[in-house]
Amino acid sequence: GAVVSQHPSWVICKSGTSVKIECRSLDFQATTMFWYRQFPKQSLMLMATSNEGSKATYEQGVEKDKFLINHASLTLSTLTVTSAHPEDSSFYICSARGRGRGDADTQYFGPGTRLTVL
Amino acid sequence: GESVGLHLPTLSVQEGDNSIINCAYSNSASDYFIWYKQESGKGPQFIIDIRSNMDKRQGQRVTVLLNKTVKHLSLQIAATQPGDSAVYFCAESPNDYKLSFGAGTTVTVRA
Repeated sequence: GAVVSQHPSWVICKSGTSVKIECRSLDFQATTMFWYRQFPKQSLMLMATSNEGSKATYEQGVEKDKFLINHASLTLSTLTVTSAHPEDSSFYICSARGRGRGDADTQYFGPGTRLTVL
Repeated sequence: GESVGLHLPTLSVQEGDNSIINCAYSNSASDYFIWYKQESGKGPQFIIDIRSNMDKRQGQRVTVLLNKTVKHLSLQIAATQPGDSAVYFCAESPNDYKLSFGAGTTVTVRA
């Protein structure tokens, strides 16, 4: 149980294009989903928190117009990197907290999406 | 956890030995702590968690110790195996909601 998937697992795009990353909770309903960014040999940095049906809350320094987050259902959240540039190249990871689980406080992570912007 | 930095501490351990990974957390209001394991190119994998009303919790081959007085968290891995090689992160939360991750420790198991 507590499986979170991400798609795609990796993507290469040209500078200026937009990229959408999906995060799905496969076997539980995720009341809250989180998006993180991780640069090589660094820790995870929280970008934003999203609750189903409401607007995402962004961490300080994260541009909400650049990183669009949609949490349309209890099993799906999407992150769209708009007008991507090389400095946006990173490992993007989502996590989800569940409802109806004994470990509802625990965040379960997806496998990550490697974004490379040329 | 400790503020994010560019340097990941490392730990080299002989296969079969016990490993101890340490973490100093910063927020005295944190009441929930988790250890995650991250293998190269993958997302973090939950290992074990502990709440602030406990000072020790055991899982399968792992033990987490919490010292709130000095804001210190440790993860002990018994009989370390090659598959334990990974980066280990501690994470803290003051409100059972958002997690703050430490810098991480790279564990390498020597055969």
